[in-house]
Amino acid sequence: DSGVTQTPKHLITATGQRVTLRCSPRSGDLSVYWYQQSLDQGLQFLIQYYNGEERAKGNILERFSAQQFPDLHSELNLSSLELGDSALYFCASSVGDSLSYEQYFGPGTRLTVT
Amino acid sequence: GNSVTQMEGPVTLSEEAFLTINCTYTATGYPSLFWYVQYPGEGLQLLLKATKADDKGSNKGFEATYRKETTSFHLEKGSVQVSDSAVYFCALSDLVNTGNQFYFGTGTSLTVIP
Repeated sequence: DSGVTQTPKHLITATGQRVTLRCSPRSGDLSVYWYQQSLDQGLQFLIQYYNGEERAKGNILERFSAQQFPDLHSELNLSSLELGDSALYFCASSVGDSLSYEQYFGPGTRLTVT
Repeated sequence: GNSVTQMEGPVTLSEEAFLTINCTYTATGYPSLFWYVQYPGEGLQLLLKATKADDKGSNKGFEATYRKETTSFHLEKGSVQVSDSAVYFCALSDLVNTGNQFYFGTGTSLTVIP
């Protein structure tokens, strides 16, 4: 158990809909990262927050947005969903902002868009 | 741009065999390098890391050396066990002009048979 929790575990929704994925980092970790893992594109970095502020952006679509709240939990919002958004979404956390810090991954949320 | 290329799988080995999973990278700065392992149904776990050239990361019998001259970070283990069956990801973190970026290889599936 990494200490990172993600809810829900599974999500099935229709095209055009909007969903919110939630992540609680390990106690004491200030950074939260979001990743998308799909069969065709592998594991892609989406976005990083550090202590409530956006720190870095990767391959995140404009239809996707995220935020980190004062209690440090984070939410990833996916809107106007398409079939291709079906994937496993991981959240990870680390204690600081340095690139060399270990990231602890949650178990993931499996999103299926039908 | 930055990228990680790792050996295609799947790899099947007999117990106690020697393991090598190749990983090469391209980076614009001074990246940190990581190997993560993903067991079935779980999130990624850090296996080992190296933050500068010639560093050797090691954990649970696995080793990898950060080779700047060959831009490689190959994963090795002298004697694999059935419990090592998992998917292994080579990863890179780097600071680019848009902030921290994280890149993962496509993953190499390892199956160890008794």
